[in-house]
Amino acid sequence: DMKVTQMPRYLIKRMGENVLLECGQDMSHETMYWYRQDPGLGLQLIYISYDVDSNSEGDIPKGYRVSRKKREHFSLILDSAKTNQTSVYFCASSLGASGNTLYFGEGSRLIVV
Amino acid sequence: GDSVTQTEGLVTLTKGLPVMLNCTYQTTYSPFLFWYVQHLNEAPKLLLKSSTDNKRTEHQGFYATLHKSSSSFHLQKSSVQLSDSALYFCASVTSSGQKLVFGQGTILKVYL
Repeated sequence: DMKVTQMPRYLIKRMGENVLLECGQDMSHETMYWYRQDPGLGLQLIYISYDVDSNSEGDIPKGYRVSRKKREHFSLILDSAKTNQTSVYFCASSLGASGNTLYFGEGSRLIVV
Repeated sequence: GDSVTQTEGLVTLTKGLPVMLNCTYQTTYSPFLFWYVQHLNEAPKLLLKSSTDNKRTEHQGFYATLHKSSSSFHLQKSSVQLSDSALYFCASVTSSGQKLVFGQGTILKVYL
């Protein structure tokens, strides 16, 4: 059905709490991504995963880690969330390298108070 | 390093008028450029892509031409509709060939 699904869609956490954002795709894409979107900054790459257990830092990895144990599933973890991690997080997948189309999920809005 | 620049943060237009959203890029890789569109509370989705110099690419009434000589990939439409109101991102494959770098985004608002 060519879909990227993110859970949860909305989340409010207290500073210092752990956060788990989950992403699934049904296209058997090798490559998956986590971006954050902030007004005026566009989409910033946090992590990229080339396949199971093959993850690489993006442009802003500090404060985040990821896990990919199955090709169709990619998790973003915030250990001890900070207020400046309040943002909208997008997961995406693509077939192979970035020259191919990215398919995005609908986003997870995280508020850290 | 690699970068994409969108000079307009907000463009407001009356329905039926033409629009051009600017995009310039900087990369040492052979350029591969994209436009993504994000409607309110929706996921970004691909609108156009091109890696061919001086060839016009079209989709859903929008078009863009990659000009390597000026490092540009401006998005145009001859007559905007209310439904075109959205956030538009330009993106380029980075010099490593592994990632995309996105511009800051341009909000297009179309009024009656």
